Amino acid sequence: NAGVMQNPRHLVRRRGQEARLRCSPMKGHSHVYWYRQLPEEGLKFMVYLQKENIIDESGMPKERFSAEFPKEGPSILRIQQVVRGDSAAYFCASSPGPGTEAFFGQGTRLTVV
Amino acid sequence: GENVEQHPSTLSVQEGDSAVIKCTYSDSASNYFPWYKQELGKRPQLIIDIRSNVGEKKDQRIAVTLNKTAKHFSLHITETQPEDSAVYFCAAPRSGRGSTLGRLYFGRGTQLTVWP
Repeated sequence: NAGVMQNPRHLVRRRGQEARLRCSPMKGHSHVYWYRQLPEEGLKFMVYLQKENIIDESGMPKERFSAEFPKEGPSILRIQQVVRGDSAAYFCASSPGPGTEAFFGQGTRLTVV
Repeated sequence: GENVEQHPSTLSVQEGDSAVIKCTYSDSASNYFPWYKQELGKRPQLIIDIRSNVGEKKDQRIAVTLNKTAKHFSLHITETQPEDSAVYFCAAPRSGRGSTLGRLYFGRGTQLTVWP
């Protein structure tokens, strides 16, 4: 089992561009969570998805951010018109079900210049 | 919603000594308390967790204790080694739509340094 795979590992975007972060959950896992980690801070929950459904997006900024987990393919976190404050590490985690612990991917480190 | 406070923010110990990190939570309905270790530039890794039906859990040099009445839980590392140096995070589940153990509030982290 390859674990939770995120790509790219590092992403540099200029202000105003779009950032797309991908997450492939562990095999057999249908629950995906996205977290953001600012430098020297803890992880902040953003969104919880199951296949083709957003279950809880209470941690997502109201504008510019969106997430999806299609029937086929990875989960995508999309940030439109990036600003410097979006620079952070974005971690994806997955679990096989709601009653089991989640495992994290290696993260995508987004730098906005 | 849940609020998780973690102390201390930094902790330095000599190799072989014990380290204790404490967390408090606010939601009395929380029933799952994981601890994650994050080395610099790497993913958070689950090192131990405890459910609310037990008061203590051990795994080799690591133990976690839970006091539901006081709403706090602690991580204990004995016989520390330099490779234990990392940032440790406690967490508790968020309430809300779709109960799940993967949707967590994290503490701000404790930077543990173990000196040889």
